[in-house]
Amino acid sequence: KNEVEQSPQNLTAQEGEFITINCSYSVGISALHWLQQHPGGGIVSLFMLSSGKKKHGRLIATINIQEKHSSLHITASHPRDSAVYICAASINTGTASKLTFGTGTRLQVTL
Amino acid sequence: GAVVSQHPSRVICKSGTSVKIECRSLDFQATTMFWYRQFPKQSLMLMATSNEGSKATYEQGVEKDKFLINHASLTLSTLTVTSAHPEDSSFYICSAPNMTNYGYTFGSGTRLTVV
Repeated sequence: KNEVEQSPQNLTAQEGEFITINCSYSVGISALHWLQQHPGGGIVSLFMLSSGKKKHGRLIATINIQEKHSSLHITASHPRDSAVYICAASINTGTASKLTFGTGTRLQVTL
Repeated sequence: GAVVSQHPSRVICKSGTSVKIECRSLDFQATTMFWYRQFPKQSLMLMATSNEGSKATYEQGVEKDKFLINHASLTLSTLTVTSAHPEDSSFYICSAPNMTNYGYTFGSGTRLTVV
């Protein structure tokens, strides 16, 4: 069983739809990260959170520490949101925190 | 701010040759650099962690003599794939922790094809 699990694996939505991607983790973490990987491979960090909720534009990330669960929401989705979204748990190893990655959610937003 | 520049973005090399991939932190000091490999439709797999001025720490199963990592300065870390084989063909990407709200900055990745 992976330490970080995401669902769904694949998601197709129509433009304008509200999207939710879920992430569950089984280890103690110092922070939970949401990343966006574009078709070319480049990765952008979207959020780093250890509690509560963060919002950036149309993106919202929440985390429930007690339930070891995080969600990424995209409001008013657009085709340019099509990408792979990855959650990653930051596990403090002392010198620098390693990231343990989920398997990613492949999102396709159509017109 | 907090940009990591990775080069080359794509490289094709012959079997048996070596390829060097560079990651530079442009506007911050990266004392630590994580190196990942990603096969198609799979998640990122940590290969090794480099720390400026000391030996890299390799993950289990990663050959340190094949994947040479050097982190000689606070702004430059390199990964050299030595005696490359077709099975080394993959997407390699680096990442450095930083003090921004996002925690980590990723390079743009290097797609290596060994023929």
